[in-house]
Amino acid sequence: NAGVTQTPKFRVLKTGQSMTLLCAQDMNHEYMYWYRQDPGMGLRLIHYSVGEGTTAKGEVPDGYNVSRLKKQNFLLGLESAAPSQTSVYFCASSYRQLMNTEAFFGQGTRLTVV
Amino acid sequence: GENVEQHPSTLSVQEGDSAVIKCTYSDSASNYFPWYKQELGKRPQLIIDIRSNVGEKKDQRIAVTLNKTAKHFSLHITETQPEDSAVYFCAAPGGGNKLTFGTGTQLKVEL
Repeated sequence: NAGVTQTPKFRVLKTGQSMTLLCAQDMNHEYMYWYRQDPGMGLRLIHYSVGEGTTAKGEVPDGYNVSRLKKQNFLLGLESAAPSQTSVYFCASSYRQLMNTEAFFGQGTRLTVV
Repeated sequence: GENVEQHPSTLSVQEGDSAVIKCTYSDSASNYFPWYKQELGKRPQLIIDIRSNVGEKKDQRIAVTLNKTAKHFSLHITETQPEDSAVYFCAAPGGGNKLTFGTGTQLKVEL
């Protein structure tokens, strides 16, 4: 049981390049989330999904797109990377709504945009 | 939406002392308040949570208190140890399926 796994762990992009971050969970969770973590700003929600085939915007969605084609996977895409997107990205999943249950986080992806 | 404020941003204590981290929230409908611990370079992990129908919950050296009237909740760590050094995040429901996190407290336990 691996829990929540993110790929890749580290990445350096040039401004304007694109990339996709993959999140996979093996806990059969319905809900999945993408957060970014910046110094002094805590964890901010980018996008989330309440089930296969669904996505919704979070607090800071601009510049990102997501897809949930399979229940176990949640992809985060950057179409044209900008230095402001330099951050640590965490994927998370939960069995029920985060209003009353634990979130399980991946190990994080450190992204640097130069 | 929910607004969660967390204080202090950094906290340094001597080993064996107690540490207290406080959070306030804005949405009076919120009823679930988790605390996450993030060690350096690691993922956040839930350490304790409290629901609105109780005022205090303890788990060994960790306790959380909730004051719904004042809309604040606190994390208490007693007999601190070096392995308690980490960043701690509080959170509160932000409406729908969202969880709003505080900005984090860097706790350093000094020998």
